[in-house]
Amino acid sequence: AQSVTQLDSQVPVFEEAPVELRCNYSSSVSVYLFWYVQYPNQGLQLLLKYLSGSTLVKGINGFEAEFNKSQTSFHLRKPSVHISDTAEYFCAVSNNNNDMRFGAGTRLTVKP
Amino acid sequence: ETGVTQTPRHLVMGMTNKKSLKCEQHLGHNAMYWYKQSAKKPLELMFVYNFKEQTENNSVPSRFSPECPNSSHLFLHLHTLQPEDSALYLCASSQGSPGGGYTFGSGTRLTVV
Repeated sequence: AQSVTQLDSQVPVFEEAPVELRCNYSSSVSVYLFWYVQYPNQGLQLLLKYLSGSTLVKGINGFEAEFNKSQTSFHLRKPSVHISDTAEYFCAVSNNNNDMRFGAGTRLTVKP
Repeated sequence: ETGVTQTPRHLVMGMTNKKSLKCEQHLGHNAMYWYKQSAKKPLELMFVYNFKEQTENNSVPSRFSPECPNSSHLFLHLHTLQPEDSALYLCASSQGSPGGGYTFGSGTRLTVV
């Protein structure tokens, strides 16, 4: 079965600074990788996903992630964050059965 | 509007009450899910339905009872809950195809008093 580890539970960063949220996965089969964002008292919203092809995936709100098979990682990055990016971010992995497993989440706090 | 609608958004209930949470999707998805999200804890998958059939029940206490009358609707019936059941309950749906991802509703914030 696949699993996901988000290496940082909290990431504080100043506005306009770059940010990287780390995600590692484990799976014995081909996987599909996702990043979701959750704003307070809301559901999870898809930011981006990797299915195949180019390892650099661009998503909404200026976020991008890079799939690294050798390091089994799928880190999320943004070159310049805004106050409005403050939220919880979840990395997830699914398989051919669409059985999805979520990481524990990373709380991104953007400070002025 | 995410395509998955959950009602009510907020619910306060006593431990002896009976209430139901509702989830509706009109995305043509075949699978629907209930998740529990508690403070400081990872998302917990509770139930999975594929084509109206329950395919997963992750050792959820019997005070939670799911119902899936059709592929578009999912309910979670609640009775004799405990304060530790207070959480955000999220519904999601998916096409069921590889790499399809899940679409989530906005959740129901449940408080048990």
